[in-house]
Amino acid sequence: DAGITQSPRHKVTETGTPVTLRCHQTENHRYMYWYRQDPGHGLRLIHYSYGVKDTDKGEVSDGYSVSRSKTEDFLLTLESATSSQTSVYFCAIRGGRSDEQFFGPGTRLTVL
Amino acid sequence: GEDVEQSLFLSVREGDSSVINCTYTDSSSTYLYWYKQEPGAGLQLLTYIFSNMDMKQDQRLTVLLNKKDKHLSLRIADTQTGDSAIYFCADITGNQFYFGTGTSLTVIP
Repeated sequence: DAGITQSPRHKVTETGTPVTLRCHQTENHRYMYWYRQDPGHGLRLIHYSYGVKDTDKGEVSDGYSVSRSKTEDFLLTLESATSSQTSVYFCAIRGGRSDEQFFGPGTRLTVL
Repeated sequence: GEDVEQSLFLSVREGDSSVINCTYTDSSSTYLYWYKQEPGAGLQLLTYIFSNMDMKQDQRLTVLLNKKDKHLSLRIADTQTGDSAIYFCADITGNQFYFGTGTSLTVIP
């Protein structure tokens, strides 16, 4: 299995509070991604990174920011959480023979 | 952006073949992928096909690609109860991956 972990695995928070999710890889891959998964929508890209300090927006980036100060860590921040951000968040790295993605175990976030 | 579509549900009997279909819109995709997600877990790569191929077989899995119709399918032979999961097709365009909504496969014993 690709060395990719996410923390925390579960979080319950209140509307208006800031939340930071962490993705950590041990594979030294250049590309890292944050997705959210919601019923009926599959996976939707929030932000991705193509190197240290290099990031770009995805399809559903509003309300989210990211940072990547080291190759191994990619942080996703909800500056002021809203109930619509209740979701399961997956981090992924990109590599392999067919440029595929390897996914972390996910973080279940509930915003009350 | 890219639009990847799948049917939401499929139910088959154990031992039968399952066929999961996917359509996509971007003809510049280099690779197309099939991922499996079991409850409470992340996605795991099942198989992939390079865009210049029509078919790829990997044990019980057969992937068919029709580039003209932008149609991708995954056939699982001799479907087992352990194959019950959600299956996602995905493609890559530039640096971004696009996923279908996922097909929930239920295998009836």
